[in-house]
This record gives sequence, structure tokens and C-alpha cells, in this order.
Amino acid sequence: IAGITQAPTSQILAAGRRMTLRCTQDMRHNAMYWYRQDLGLGLRLIHYSNTAGTTGKGEVPDGYSVSRANTDDFPLTLASAVPSQTSVYFCASSDRAGGPADTQYFGPGTRLTVL
Amino acid sequence: AQSVTQLDSHVSVSEGTPVLLRCNYSSSYSPSLFWYVQHPNKGLQLLLKYTSAATLVKGINGFEAEFKKSETSFHLTKPSAHMSDAAEYFCARSRFSGGYNKLIFGAGTRLAVHP
Repeated sequence: IAGITQAPTSQILAAGRRMTLRCTQDMRHNAMYWYRQDLGLGLRLIHYSNTAGTTGKGEVPDGYSVSRANTDDFPLTLASAVPSQTSVYFCASSDRAGGPADTQYFGPGTRLTVL
Repeated sequence: AQSVTQLDSHVSVSEGTPVLLRCNYSSSYSPSLFWYVQHPNKGLQLLLKYTSAATLVKGINGFEAEFKKSETSFHLTKPSAHMSDAAEYFCARSRFSGGYNKLIFGAGTRLAVHP
């Protein structure tokens, strides 16, 4: 593994179903992030984690939850998917927690369609 | 509001001609600024970043950007476009608030390069 991996690559999901998007990084970065990308809106932050054991809400957290049991993994869960959660989801990490000049590194994304 | 505005949603150039992608930011101070590139069905890759050092920042693949505080701009340029530059480009600024470093993205500019 090199960098950030996300799984699945894509998924079609029935509304009301529960779904967990997986994210793993091997760079030993402290901070991790989940974004959603929607046409014309750029990327918007869903949740973040500055370090293992802590999480926080971003701009658009409703309908999503996260956990950070260890440094490497940061899963994003949709408890009951709705069509408005159709989007491309990106996981990212940065090498320090909270520095304004930190570079965030992105995974390849998960394309989720909720019908 | 502290935001990022990409002034063009689409830019089309001929191969070998200069590229200019425009980005303006709003902030009460000099933020860290980033340009990312996203090729089709890929994650975001960092092109360059400004962190209050030199105002002219050189990045990968021949791109550079100039921070102009008086104009609150951070435009991305390249002297000669290559076909492989066709992609979507995102300008972003950092905002440290509530204990975490947040990236605020513009809506993106799609660059088309014609032979």
C-alpha cells in the first residue's frame, strides 16, 4: 500500500440501506478527513479527525458518522442512505494535525449512487 | 465570508499556448493557498501551495502561481499547455478554526486542451 486507499471504488445502494466507506493510509499521518464532491460545489468537508481517538464535524456532517480507532483507518458510515448522498467521496490525510500550511493528500475516491 | 472563487468554470486552450486559471480568495489575513489537479476518475493531486514565503510558487509539471495580496488572487499559470494537462483544477485555502485545519475549495475549473 502506498498513500491512501479507499474501498469500494464505486457502489450502487438502495435508499435506507447502511453503508460504510473504508479509508486506509500508510503514511502515519495524524489527521484524516472525509469530503464529498458534487458538481459545481467543489469539495465539502464531512468529518475530520485530528488524531486517533478523536473526531469532529465538518461542513456537511448530517447523515454521516465516523470513527478513528487507530492511526491508519478512518471509515465513513451512512446509517440510512438517501438519494441526496449520491456523490463522490474522498478521504484525505495530512502529516500534522491543525497546521494551516499542512498539505492534504487525497485517496482515489468512492463513487456512491443511492437509488 | 471566507471563501474561494474560481472565476472560470471552463477554460479551453490550444496545445502549446499559455494557460491561465484564475482564483480569488477572501480572508482577513494571508492564508495558505493550494492548487490541486484532478484527472478523470482520479483523486486530487497537489500541484503547488503558498505558505507566506515567496509569492511566486513553482509546482509540478511546469505550473506556477503568484500570490497577490493586493488583489486577493492566486492565479495558476503555465507557459505552454500540453494535452496531458486536460483535467479539473481546484483552488483551495486553509482555514484553521475550531481546532482543525479545514480546506475551503473553489468550485473548480475544467481545462480543455486542443491539438
